[in-house]
Amino acid sequence: SQQGEEDPQALSIQEGENATMNCSYKTSINNLQWYRQNSGRGLVHLILIRSNEREKHSGRLRVTLDTSKKSSSLLITASRAADTASYFCATGTGANSKLTFGKGITLSVRP
Amino acid sequence: GAVVSQHPSRVICKSGTSVKIECRSLDFQATTMFWYRQFPKQSLMLMATSNEGSKATYEQGVEKDKFLINHASLTLSTLTVTSAHPEDSSFYICSANGLAMYQETQYFGPGTRLLVL
Repeated sequence: SQQGEEDPQALSIQEGENATMNCSYKTSINNLQWYRQNSGRGLVHLILIRSNEREKHSGRLRVTLDTSKKSSSLLITASRAADTASYFCATGTGANSKLTFGKGITLSVRP
Repeated sequence: GAVVSQHPSRVICKSGTSVKIECRSLDFQATTMFWYRQFPKQSLMLMATSNEGSKATYEQGVEKDKFLINHASLTLSTLTVTSAHPEDSSFYICSANGLAMYQETQYFGPGTRLLVL
């Protein structure tokens, strides 16, 4: 079953703008992760946030986690055309555990 | 580091034949490997979890006799689609957790596109 639900399902922005993507989930988690997938390729891990963390940064990425609302957001600042991809949130319950993926968000960054 | 390869990247086969897909962790030992299936413009659906030296754990609704998984070593897992049919056409992706690294993160292979005619 799909644990994570991202919104919006599709997002189109101009290069240089910020992109915000949201993810909601239903059950208790140990961590939440964001992945990127370019068309027809495998997934690339972007960032992981644990259930006891509220915010993490990595380069142009900022992720927040609100466990009371069971939601997370991924912010990509100063977007580039190369950021065009599908983005998935995934929830995990611990080490070596399976991940449950959301449906994904398609981000298009116009040059 | 943390590179996972898959072979083949694309395969076309006739209905009724079997297809084997290999997933290898190139620079780390993978305690656990995962097999996913992805239809166009959809999310990843976990098929099974495999641990080295033990039987795979299949998700509900996945036929274990149709999708044979072998995890013979800490760097190799194989998925065999037996008696493939056109409805098995899909994008198959594997991922792996490592022994000595962030064990919550999965490292993904590039995927294998299967087309069954």
